[in-house]
Order: sequence, then structure tokens, then C-alpha cells
Amino acid sequence: GQQLNQSPQSMFIQEGEDVSMNCTSSSIFNTWLWYKQEPGEGPVLLIALYKAGELTSNGRLTAQFGITRKDSFLNISASIPSDVGIYFCAGQLGYGNKLVFGAGTILRVKS
Amino acid sequence: KAGVTQTPRYLIKTRGQQVTLSCSPISGHRSVSWYQQTPGQGLQFLFEYFSETQRNKGNFPGRFSGRQFSNSRSEMNVSTLELGDSALYLCASSLEYGRATNEKLFFGSGTQLSVL
Repeated sequence: GQQLNQSPQSMFIQEGEDVSMNCTSSSIFNTWLWYKQEPGEGPVLLIALYKAGELTSNGRLTAQFGITRKDSFLNISASIPSDVGIYFCAGQLGYGNKLVFGAGTILRVKS
Repeated sequence: KAGVTQTPRYLIKTRGQQVTLSCSPISGHRSVSWYQQTPGQGLQFLFEYFSETQRNKGNFPGRFSGRQFSNSRSEMNVSTLELGDSALYLCASSLEYGRATNEKLFFGSGTQLSVL
């Protein structure tokens, strides 16, 4: 089946540092999504990407949809303590909300 | 506006039993999806319902089933529970079923199921 390889698995960074994480796939997707999950909650959508090559920002977050449609990255600039959580990439192909998720990147921020 | 509501929040069952989980989508949302989240397998798609019809299905055994009611509320059922079914079950809703609906996909906080 489809799989997404997300890296790194975890990061422990100093407050104020920039963060970068990425996802690659052996399959193409029509949509790439980035979610954040905090303890005891469901994932919350951060950024959605719909076109190959698209670069989208949401505040301090920037994400890109790879040209080959098989990869995406997420950057967080000037990290703050509330950025702590698990970040997931997800790909979608076709109709509906059948998403394939990456394994997640655990982000810890040292203040 | 209330978010996606899942009940119960926590559930403990024993092997062989069956369980029913409930999801109320955001008001006006007509598509409901279910996901299983475990430490080992991560987030995996179970199924999606729209207009009371299953539209998408993941790779789970027939013990996992669901349904959607005319008011868009959804339930999922797991029969003959196994230890490996212990997981966080997440429900998500969106307005419609179609392309590029993901921007409006909202997740609930989930039901934590423990099978002993």
C-alpha cells in the first residue's frame, strides 16, 4: 500500500531556532497536508497544498508541494514553546478524505 | 459552533467483546471519516461516509464496520475485539465529499479504546 516516509522522527531544539521536516512517497498525491497534534487532541490542519511546486505560508509556517508530487516539506521559523507537538504529513489522491499519513515528527522546544 | 464530538472519551473492553463508538460531526457537515491511531501503525484510514453511504474504505478486516444516519451522525462498530484493536479512534468531518475537501477536514479528540 501507499506509505509516507517522514523525517526526522523527533527534534529537540532551542527556542528561536528554525525547524525543517519533510515527507517523501513512492506514490504521487494530488494534495499534501500538514497537521499538528497535541496530547489528548485530534490533529489540527496547519497547511494544505494542492498544486505541484506550490509554496504556502501560514504565519511562521511554510510548506511546499514537491514538483514530482511525491514529496513535501514543512518549515517552522523562530520556534516558540507552544510549537511543541507531533507534526504529521498526509497525502490524498482522488476523492474524499482517505488520507495516508506519515509517522509523525515529535517536536520539543527548549526555552 | 461546536466541533466534532466523539463519545465516549475512554472505553475499556475485554477480548471477544464488541464496541460501538459515536461521532457527531460539525453542524452542516455531511461527510464523516474514521481513523485509527496506534503508536506502531500511526494514523490509518478506516472508512468515510457521505449521505449515509460508505464512499471510501481502508484496509481493515470486516470486524470493523460503520454507518451514518440521516442527520450525518456516524457510528463505528468493532466486533470480536482483539488486543491489537487498542487504539485512539478519531472521527473527522467535512462539508462535502469530493476533491479538495481536505481543507475543511476537522478531527474530534477521539475515543481511547483499551482492550484487555
